[in-house]
Amino acid sequence: EVQLVESGGGLVQPGRSLKLSCAASGFTFSNYYMAWVRQAPKKGLEWVATISTSGSRTYYPDSVKGRFTISRDNAKSSLYLQMNSLKSEDTATYYCARVNRGVDYWGQGVMVTVSS
Amino acid sequence: DIQMTQSPASLSASLEEIVTITCQASQDIGNWLSWYQQKPGKSPQLLIYGATSLADGVPSRFSGSRSGTQYSLKISRLQVEDIGIYYCLQAYSAPWTFGGGTKLELK
Repeated sequence: EVQLVESGGGLVQPGRSLKLSCAASGFTFSNYYMAWVRQAPKKGLEWVATISTSGSRTYYPDSVKGRFTISRDNAKSSLYLQMNSLKSEDTATYYCARVNRGVDYWGQGVMVTVSS
Repeated sequence: DIQMTQSPASLSASLEEIVTITCQASQDIGNWLSWYQQKPGKSPQLLIYGATSLADGVPSRFSGSRSGTQYSLKISRLQVEDIGIYYCLQAYSAPWTFGGGTKLELK
């Protein structure tokens, strides 16, 4: 059974940093592109980052480019999102996602609140 | 960036009714379009990929179609468990973009 379990969320002050982790199991992690997708409270879905199987290629929307960094450790079947210079508009539930036919599996999500 | 215009934003329908939701892409995205259902407090679930292919385990009353740059999700006979918010996603080119969502309620 495919499982994606996020951790690392919480309350953080504006301008500070936070690192999210996603532990993957039930599939060969190194064979899949992975992504992060977020959802602000009562809002729609927003793609945040994608990483290739080896980690050599990464993609971001302008809203987070230069502040967020996606990475992976295939030996640990883990995905990460380093978030720097956080803003109030980054407040959202962050989902770890497996890229396949779009996104075929989603984690349960982890909440990040940016507030002073 | 590719814009995905989803309509309607909300929809109220009766049980067994046919429901259609559309997404209009601002440019050609081929068949790189997928549909998701999200129930309150839950993660999204994949329904349709490649514009027309049904994801594993999804009931056959769900179907997807394409006409040029307009994509549609159809529920042939609405059931209670179909209530939720539906999103389309284009993964043709970065940045990936979602439609704004359609909130489906029972009449």
